[in-house]
Amino acid sequence: VQLVQSGAEVKKPGASVKVSCKSSGNTFTSHYIHWVRQAPGRGLEWMGIINPSDGSTTYAQDFRGRVTMTSDSSTSTVYMELSSLRSEDTAVYYCARSGVIMAVRGASTERWFDPWGQGTLVTVSS
Amino acid sequence: EIVVTQSPATLSVSPGDTATLTCRAGQSVSSNFAWYQQKPGQAPRLLIYDVSTRATGIPARFSGSGSGTEFTLTISSLQSEDFAVYFCQQYNHWPPGTFGQGTKVEIK
Repeated sequence: VQLVQSGAEVKKPGASVKVSCKSSGNTFTSHYIHWVRQAPGRGLEWMGIINPSDGSTTYAQDFRGRVTMTSDSSTSTVYMELSSLRSEDTAVYYCARSGVIMAVRGASTERWFDPWGQGTLVTVSS
Repeated sequence: EIVVTQSPATLSVSPGDTATLTCRAGQSVSSNFAWYQQKPGQAPRLLIYDVSTRATGIPARFSGSGSGTEFTLTISSLQSEDFAVYFCQQYNHWPPGTFGQGTKVEIK
């Protein structure tokens, strides 16, 4: 399985950005996809999770109201859109596979993050 | 949210020596613990999951140990390609599965 992300973006403050993450192989609807970002020289910040099979999502508190994650099973692609961008959103955004989809999410196995997409640099600057 | 504290922030090691990295979780995470390696300009790569199981293709010089709240990554006979940033992660309380802040292993 490979996750391939869309290319770098430059946005002005207040704009929105939409990053894609395309999955190869045939496990698109069997595992959750997470989005994680990394500001320059910083650690890893979890943004949210999407179940590609039904589109259900959970977002981190810090991003609620600004982030939307969607999936398209026909193209095995998930999307992350972040709105009302500010300079602090300048970061590399990663998608990563984690967790086998089960009837109850809490019963999910294989919760480690593997593989990761190659990352998408989003620069917010006026 | 479980806080994961990684130490040290930077570790200076000579090639061929052994590096020992440590993570502490704010509460027990059982054996749901992983380690990742990140090189400049690259995405993190899974090294170890379930505390001590090496991911596919990871050399035997990488080993993990621990349980509950204390975890260790040991890198034996450091090679030039091992100098990188290492992150630990608990996934017992998932999502989100919180990450440590990272340890940079640099050449001494």
